[in-house]
Amino acid sequence: SAVISQKPSRDICQRGTSLTIQCQVDSQVTMMFWYRQQPGQSLTLIATANQGSEATYESGFVIDKFPISRPNLTFSTLTVSNMSPEDSSIYLCSVVPRGTEAFFGQGTRLTVV
Amino acid sequence: GQNIDQPTEMTATEGAIVQINCTYQTSGFNGLFWYQQHAGEAPTFLSYNVLDGLEEKGRFSSFLSRSKGYSYLLLKELQMKDSASYLCAVRERAAGNKLTFGGGTRVLVKP
Repeated sequence: SAVISQKPSRDICQRGTSLTIQCQVDSQVTMMFWYRQQPGQSLTLIATANQGSEATYESGFVIDKFPISRPNLTFSTLTVSNMSPEDSSIYLCSVVPRGTEAFFGQGTRLTVV
Repeated sequence: GQNIDQPTEMTATEGAIVQINCTYQTSGFNGLFWYQQHAGEAPTFLSYNVLDGLEEKGRFSSFLSRSKGYSYLLLKELQMKDSASYLCAVRERAAGNKLTFGGGTRVLVKP
């Protein structure tokens, strides 16, 4: 299994500002995944964070809006930039340490006012 | 790309059985997962199927037919605490280990 510490657990932010979410894993993993879950909806993959290279973004998500860092094999950050109310969502990081099941952080509930 | 469909909502009675269907279209199928998610919490892993057939784990079972692009999650002896969203997710061989999720099925268990 993998234990992921994600923070902050929640935040209320002013529009136009940025928030950085951190995920720390208790083991080394090659890839970390960042998801968004909008109210009442399922998970949508934002990007895959690889150590030592740029993140790979899914259609509809761009690096300028969601810059990602992956400085080592146990840590990653996702920044939500220039926030608007439409960015209010739950953001989750995930890892797949053994190539089977995915483990998730506890999520960051973001409200933009 | 992938297209994953599951019902939006289901209601069942405590002690009964509910079956949640999931259909998918994908190239390079490499596993199907079911997750449970209670409101305000992160998803938790329930089951994993990569070969055809039934996987049983306590009150929960999951079935896969790769030729039909079809899976179901069976919840038996329903309890009130089973009220949650159930997410079907598919992994593609060419896409590393990322998962693509269906829209989720909200199950409401009534007394």
